[in-house]
Formats: sequence, C-alpha cells, structure tokens
Amino acid sequence: NAGVTQTPKFQVLKTGQSMTLQCAQDMNHNSMYWYRQDPGMGLRLIYYSASEGTTDKGEVPNGYNVSRLNKREFSLRLESAAPSQTSVYFCASSRDRVADTQYFGPGTRLTVL
Amino acid sequence: RKEVEQDPGPFNVPEGATVAFNCTYSNSASQSFFWYRQDCRKEPKLLMSVYSSGNEDGRFTAQLNRASQYISLLIRDSKLSDSATYLCVVTEKGGNKLVFGAGTILRVKS
Repeated sequence: NAGVTQTPKFQVLKTGQSMTLQCAQDMNHNSMYWYRQDPGMGLRLIYYSASEGTTDKGEVPNGYNVSRLNKREFSLRLESAAPSQTSVYFCASSRDRVADTQYFGPGTRLTVL
Repeated sequence: RKEVEQDPGPFNVPEGATVAFNCTYSNSASQSFFWYRQDCRKEPKLLMSVYSSGNEDGRFTAQLNRASQYISLLIRDSKLSDSATYLCVVTEKGGNKLVFGAGTILRVKS
C-alpha cells in the first residue's frame, strides 16, 4: 500500500517549457488535490477533483491545467512554465469530503529558470 | 489579512519542556479545524483534528475558541522527534477547501 505517489521528485525547466506532474493514490479515495508550497506561505490549493470526472479551480489556478484520468490518477500540467511557478508541488487525496483526513504525496520540487 | 495566521517561530525549547502554539483564523464560518505536522523537506501529515470541546492525544492537546477564532496546540514533555513545522488548517467558508497557515517551526534540543 503506497498511499499517494508523485513523479518526478525533482525537475528543472526553462521558461516556456511544458511538463506534467503525475499523481496516483491506491486508497480508493474520491477526492484529490494539487497544492503548491512556497517559503513563508501556507500550502495553496491549485486545483481539486471532488470525484472522478470533475475538477474545480482552487486559489491559484492560473498557468495550470489538470486531468482526473480515473479514480486513481490526477495530473497537473504546466503549459508554459514561468519562474513564478518555481515551488514544491504536493498532491493529496481524501476519502470524500475536504474535511476528511488528507494524505499527501512526497512532493515535486520544481525549478523554472 | 491572511485567512490563517500563525507565529512562524522558531520556538527553540529543551527536551521535556511544554510548548504552546497559537493560530487565528479570519473566516467565522469555518467548520473544521486541524493541526498538521510537516518534517523538513517532507509532506504534511495530519497530527490531530480540533474539536469544539478540546481534545487530547497523548502529549498533545488541541483547543478551539470559536468566539475569538483561535486554535491552540499544546505539547507536553517535548521530545527531539517533535521538531517539525506545525501547520494550522481550517476549512474555507462553504467547506469545500482547506486553508493552511504558513506554519510554526519547533526545534527541540537536548
């Protein structure tokens, strides 16, 4: 039982490049989330998916897109990376409601030059 | 004003000390409250939920004051392994999203 897995763990991009961050959970959770964490700031929600087939914007969605591929997988895409997107990205999942315990993946450390 | 505010610390305490962290939140409609723990360069993990009546889990006690929009976490008999960042978390108005504080750093020294 791996919980929440994320790939890659580290990534360096040049401005304008694109990439997709992958996330998968094996806990049969309905809800999944993407956050970013920057120094001195709390985790900020980028996008979330309350159930398979639905996605909604969070606090900081600009510059990102998401896909809930199936119940297990929720990917985050940066179409044209910018230095402001340098951050640590965490994927999380919860059984149903946002108030259920959220389980986080190990994070992806992204640097955009 | 930030929705969830915490003293960033760091709090440097000796082993065995009692330490308390505070957190204030701005949205009076928030319904659920939590403390998460985040070790250096790791993911956050739920430490405990915070209930209106207050709750205790071993050496950890959480309190909620809805009138003052204030949450606290008390750690007794601090261990070296308690060194981490403690994140105060509340649900947003409407309850669809979690809002995280920036965290309070605790360093327990021998």
